[in-house]
Amino acid sequence: SQTIHQWPATLVQPVGSPLSLECTVEGTSNPNLYWYRQAAGRGLQLLFYSVGIGQISSEVPQNLSASRPQDRQFILSSKKLLLSDSGFYLCAWSVWQVGGYTFGSGTRLTVV
Amino acid sequence: SQQGEEDPQALSIQEGENATMNCSYKTSINNLQWYRQNSGRGLVHLILIRSNEREKHSGRLRVTLDTSKKSSSLLITASRAADTASYFCAPQEAQGAQKLVFGQGTRLTINP
Repeated sequence: SQTIHQWPATLVQPVGSPLSLECTVEGTSNPNLYWYRQAAGRGLQLLFYSVGIGQISSEVPQNLSASRPQDRQFILSSKKLLLSDSGFYLCAWSVWQVGGYTFGSGTRLTVV
Repeated sequence: SQQGEEDPQALSIQEGENATMNCSYKTSINNLQWYRQNSGRGLVHLILIRSNEREKHSGRLRVTLDTSKKSSSLLITASRAADTASYFCAPQEAQGAQKLVFGQGTRLTINP
């Protein structure tokens, strides 16, 4: 069966520290992968998406970056976190023209 | 890219009543999807309706799509306390990376 793993579940990081959030998918090949961020009580903001290894598209300019080193691995990074980076980060995958998105359980990031 | 706009932003009803949420979008779509998000969790895919479909059912869910008006509605019948959540619509374009751009959602509260 297809599953998506996202970790850690919660994270508290000081301003200026680096960030690495990881997302892995099992049970499917060549998925489209997505990173979203959700501020408290708000909708989802698409940050990055990837249609293949090494292919990253950025939706919103910011101090975050994403990488896809393997087919089913998607990493969200930052060299120096800002207070405004706090939020709920969600990873999702989809298969071309098949059904909807499957979301991970999310990482709640608090930058202090 | 396409974004759905949900209406109302918040809805509070009594258990057992029906809940209706609406979604509007701007351009042509391949399909439209509805998702549910419980507080602090990832999104769960509820239902997908294709552009050539007008109505679709899944359990207590009924979704309609009017492509001429660029609108959709989600009806939840015989609501339960467990239906309390935020609901998002996501119109999907036929081309590109199939990325979904979510709106602010409708916050549904079912009162016992």
